[in-house]
Amino acid sequence: QVQLQESGPGLVKPSETLSLTCTVSGGSITNFYWNWIRQSPGKGLEWIAYIFYTGSTNYNPSLKSRVTISLDTSRNQFSLKLSSVTAADTAVYFCARRGGRRSGGFDIWGQGTMVSVSS
Amino acid sequence: QSALTQPRSVSGSPGQSITISCTGTISDVDTFNYVSWYQQLPGKAPKLMIYDVTKRPSGVPDRFSGSKSGNTASLTISGLQAEDEADYYCCSYTGSPFVFGTGTKVTVL
Repeated sequence: QVQLQESGPGLVKPSETLSLTCTVSGGSITNFYWNWIRQSPGKGLEWIAYIFYTGSTNYNPSLKSRVTISLDTSRNQFSLKLSSVTAADTAVYFCARRGGRRSGGFDIWGQGTMVSVSS
Repeated sequence: QSALTQPRSVSGSPGQSITISCTGTISDVDTFNYVSWYQQLPGKAPKLMIYDVTKRPSGVPDRFSGSKSGNTASLTISGLQAEDEADYYCCSYTGSPFVFGTGTKVTVL
């Protein structure tokens, strides 16, 4: 079955760039939307961005100026870069799959990776 | 793009039915039939329970059902079980494109 696994540094300094990668195993990256979602400690979920297997992207308007999502189909991976981070970006970051641009839901999730922003 | 509004907590006894509301606006829940619901156990990733307002993924018990009226979507858990104790989040397509709810803690008494 398809599994997602996030990887990347657990600690990032303020003003630097947070970089995470999600590896997709057990299935193809084709025909799906690949998402990043985060959850601040004790708080709710916030959708960050998605990338379609064709390379088409969409971003949360509140984060758009700082976020880049990219795809490496040869490695079955997609990545997130969040620039100029502050303590407010401290969160568990999840990668997730979605079948439709509007319909469907986030049906497969990674286990999440905690990223702390601190000097 | 404000979060959808959910009650902070809902509780019920085993066997009872509970309903969690998810209130949005004309920009999201009211306009689009693309509401999904997620169950999150402590320290775990969310799990998809309902999508497209009423559809249930395979493997999700039929005790879980979804509905929508105007700008409010609802998740009903019938025959509440101890294992249903978790946080629940709704999510709607908005065109922006997605917004989550504030989350509801379900307690089984």
